[in-house]
Formats: sequence, structure tokens, C-alpha cells
Amino acid sequence: QSALTQPASVSGSPGQSITISCTGTSSDVGSYNLVSWYQQHPGKAPKLMIYEVSKRPSGVSNRFSGSKSGNTASLTISGLQAEDEADYYCCSYAGSLWVFGGGTKLTVL
Amino acid sequence: EVQLVETGGGLIQPGGSLRLSCAASGFTVSSNYMSWVRQAPGKGLEWVSVIYSGGSTYYADSVKGRFTISRDNSKNTLYLQMNSLRAEDTAVYYCARGPSYFDYWGQGTLVTVSS
Repeated sequence: QSALTQPASVSGSPGQSITISCTGTSSDVGSYNLVSWYQQHPGKAPKLMIYEVSKRPSGVSNRFSGSKSGNTASLTISGLQAEDEADYYCCSYAGSLWVFGGGTKLTVL
Repeated sequence: EVQLVETGGGLIQPGGSLRLSCAASGFTVSSNYMSWVRQAPGKGLEWVSVIYSGGSTYYADSVKGRFTISRDNSKNTLYLQMNSLRAEDTAVYYCARGPSYFDYWGQGTLVTVSS
């Protein structure tokens, strides 16, 4: 049950696009199209942003998109806004257990 | 409106026990997969345990044999019984609803294991 690998930090200017990668193994990300992404602001509970690799829950901006290739999933945020500054976590189903990434701190410059 | 409210956290000595509760409203706990996810201070999220709608339960290796997840259908409440607590169990514990992803989360309850 090793954690998925995410970059510790990414940054971008307002209006730009950024991509956060999430690398797992053939036992988790590579085996299931069940990757989800969560946004967490300081002191708050995580919020679901993407599920099943690329689906957006109702109410989540279409500036957020997800994809997957092999053992690596990605979250792309386009048109960066100040309120996007937060921690982002990927998560993958791994057969009756779930594995999270270590988290990526997004800074909007 | 879906709501999850965790209670039961607090300060506990190493080796002690604690039971967390997660009261749900707006949906039926027994008809959903329900999980516990924790976050140590300043650290990332860690999945802890799940109970399926059918009643099957699964645990992370880090808590297997020490933690027990359960639910009370009459109270629409999820529980996490935590025994033999260690310093490394110190974290905010969230309950979350979801099949293969977690669409609703509670606000979390802080468990501190320290002498």
C-alpha cells in the first residue's frame, strides 16, 4: 500500500494552466479507471473535484479536467484563479482498499 | 442535504482506546460504501477503512487488527473503534461516503495520542 507519487508543489499565474501528475503502479492507477482528485483548503475537509479519471461532479468548474495514461493520472486546471490555491490529492482504488497521493500544494502567483 | 458529522475525538494515552462516530443525514449509511480517512498534522490523506453496503469490511495495513469499522443502521451512524492506539495514529479522522470515490466528507474529528 505505497502512496501514489505527486509533485510536492506546483505554481502558476492567474489565467495560466497547470497539470499535476499522480503516478501509481499496475496494481492501482494502471488497473482501474477509478482515480479521483480532491481539493483541500487549509483547515477544511477535502472536496471531490474529479472522479473515475475524468468525470466532474455537479458544481465543479469545467476548468478542472482529468486524464490517465498507463500508471499515471493527471489533473489539469486551466484559467487559474486565486481561489484554486490549495492542496490537491489524487486517490486510486486498488482492490478493496484505496491509496492516496502525498499531495501537491498549488500556489497561484 | 447530505451531511456527515464526526464526534468522539480527543486526547488519549498510548495503548488506549477510543470510538469515533459519524452521524449521517440525507442518505442511508447502510445503502452506501462508507470509509474513514485520516490526516496527520501537516501531512497528507491516508485511507483507513471501508464498510461496504453488504457489510464487508477492509482495513489499511497500518491499522489492521487494531481498528474496527461498524455501523448502526437504526441510528444511521458509522463508527470506528480504535484500540492499542499509537502516537502515529494522531490525526484528524474524516468519515466519507463513496463507492470508488468519496463524494461527501465530514468536518473531521481530531485524535491525539500522547502521554
